[in-house]
Amino acid sequence: AQRVTQPEKLLSVFKGAPVELKCNYSYSGSPELFWYVQYSRQRLQLLLRHISRESIKGFTADLNKGETSFHLKKPFAQEEDSAMYYCALRGQGGKLIFGQGTELSVKP
Amino acid sequence: ETGVTQSPTHLIKTRGQQVTLRCSSQSGHNTVSWYQQALGQGPQFIFQYYREEENGRGNFPPRFSGLQFPNYSSELNVNALELDDSALYLCASSKGQGNQPQHFGDGTRLSIL
Repeated sequence: AQRVTQPEKLLSVFKGAPVELKCNYSYSGSPELFWYVQYSRQRLQLLLRHISRESIKGFTADLNKGETSFHLKKPFAQEEDSAMYYCALRGQGGKLIFGQGTELSVKP
Repeated sequence: ETGVTQSPTHLIKTRGQQVTLRCSSQSGHNTVSWYQQALGQGPQFIFQYYREEENGRGNFPPRFSGLQFPNYSSELNVNALELDDSALYLCASSKGQGNQPQHFGDGTRLSIL
């Protein structure tokens, strides 16, 4: 089965602390994974994709096929990082399979 | 570059009614995907249209149907509305059928009374 699991509904950290948002997936074959972010009152937008191997707004994510994980990390959280984060897997036919989302709250 | 636009933004219907939601794809995009996002959940894939043909469908009943027009805009139709259809409906567009990223609209909030 193709599935994405984000085990934490809410993650609360203080400004300047490291952040790790967990994502595990189930997929047979070579997965293509994404992180999408939704800031308050804004649309869902692409944050990064694993094939790009880029760092956006200080966030990085490494695909670990052994652990079937694609955790999102940032060394020093900022208040403006507070948002809803969704991990997604590209499934058959190009559809996106989303996790349930993790709300990140960065406190001052 | 014009992004994905959806209309209406909010809609209230009653059980048994029918609804049509609309989506204009981003300029240069010819693939449109529709998702349903229930409260507190991640988006769930409904179906995808590529060059006016359905190109993949999720686990939704036939009363969920769609169309794509020659200008690549799209409609989502839902018949015989049920209370559980209350959700945010998201449209996403992308270029081609390959591995291009999907760009989302703001969504239509549908409430069923």
